[in-house]
Amino acid sequence: EAGVAQSPRYKIIEKRQSVAFWCNPISGHATLYWYQQILGQGPKLLIQFQNNGVVDDSQLPKDRFSAERLKGVDSTLKIQPAKLEDSAVYLCASSPGGRQPQHFGDGTRLSIL
Amino acid sequence: GIQVEQSPPDLILQEGANSTLRCNFSDSVNNLQWFHQNPWGQLINLFYIPSGTKQNGRLSATTVATERYSLLYISSSQTTDSGVYFCAVGTGANSKLTFGKGITLSVRP
Repeated sequence: EAGVAQSPRYKIIEKRQSVAFWCNPISGHATLYWYQQILGQGPKLLIQFQNNGVVDDSQLPKDRFSAERLKGVDSTLKIQPAKLEDSAVYLCASSPGGRQPQHFGDGTRLSIL
Repeated sequence: GIQVEQSPPDLILQEGANSTLRCNFSDSVNNLQWFHQNPWGQLINLFYIPSGTKQNGRLSATTVATERYSLLYISSSQTTDSGVYFCAVGTGANSKLTFGKGITLSVRP
């Protein structure tokens, strides 16, 4: 079974620029998550989708972050404009449902200059 | 929100030694997972264990949900076990995961 795919693996941008990340979950997984992991900390949930609907975006900084999962499969997370404090690893995860184990992709390491 | 505390924060072992990693949480949970984050940053599922005991090779885990803790046992440690071990607990209807700060394990040859 193929795992969660993410791209790109690394991204370097200057502050105030925009950036987008892509995630393709495990086939058949209805629930998709985006996490932010700052160096030295555990991952923090940004947004959770069930199929193509948002079920939790309480920790998403909506003034600059947006995410979509239009066809209930792959998803994009966008930051516009980026700030220095957005430097982190952005992890995508998927699961068959809310109380099932989550499986993580390899993440995108974002550096803001 | 729920608090997740992991201990010890850092652990150094000699290859072949055994260890126990602990995760305490402050409220009832409906999901608990242990992950290993390797030096390349990959987050690997170890156990999905909201209650009970499971074993997978040299690793085993026990969750006592009524007492709000979980333990991860590593036996006969190897250098490849090095990395950060995270406990994450799920709460609510959507089982939103909250991660602890992690335990950094270094296994010396």
